[in-house]
Amino acid sequence: EAQVTQNPRYLITVTGKKLTVTCSQNMNHEYMSWYRQDPGLGLRQIYYSMNVEVTDKGDVPEGYKVSRKEKRNFPLILESPSPNQTSLYFCASGVNNQPQHFGDGTRLSIL
Amino acid sequence: KNEVEQSPQNLTAQEGEFITINCSYSVGISALHWLQQHPGGGIVSLFMLSSGKKKHGRLIATINIQEKHSSLHITASHPRDSAVYICAVRTGAGSYQLTFGKGTKLSVIP
Repeated sequence: EAQVTQNPRYLITVTGKKLTVTCSQNMNHEYMSWYRQDPGLGLRQIYYSMNVEVTDKGDVPEGYKVSRKEKRNFPLILESPSPNQTSLYFCASGVNNQPQHFGDGTRLSIL
Repeated sequence: KNEVEQSPQNLTAQEGEFITINCSYSVGISALHWLQQHPGGGIVSLFMLSSGKKKHGRLIATINIQEKHSSLHITASHPRDSAVYICAVRTGAGSYQLTFGKGTKLSVIP
């Protein structure tokens, strides 16, 4: 079954404690991307990747890092999380550089 | 930066009605996406358009590049169509950065 898998689904943590949200896809897609969704602001793109070792910034990259060492995985790293990064995060993958399949979301709360 | 406006913000319809959701953007684009977000939060990609019209089942998406406007139509609406519909645009040929509208919440009443 075609899937984009995010982990964890829920996380409550504290300011400054490094965390990684993993994203994995089983469709051999070249394109992967990360988004955050906040009430009143909607979805905003954080980073995207068009292929292995190729990443680029979206609208709101500050405070986040990504890596794309292999095609199937695209982790989102928060080196020093802050409360303003409390949000619902989605990962997506696709072909032709467009998001086609979305993960189920990760709800992050940073206290 | 592209500004993406959706209208209406909220829409309530009776089952069977024809529905139109609009999306306007301020800067020329290379592609436009329509997404559906279910009440449980999951997101589904419905269409990607760069010109003309696409149809899938009861859903039709159109785009007018000159007027910087796209519409999503739902024919014979059903309560299972209740969701938030989100428009997103990709600006420029060399960039794959997406800018999103704030979404249109659709409720279809039996």
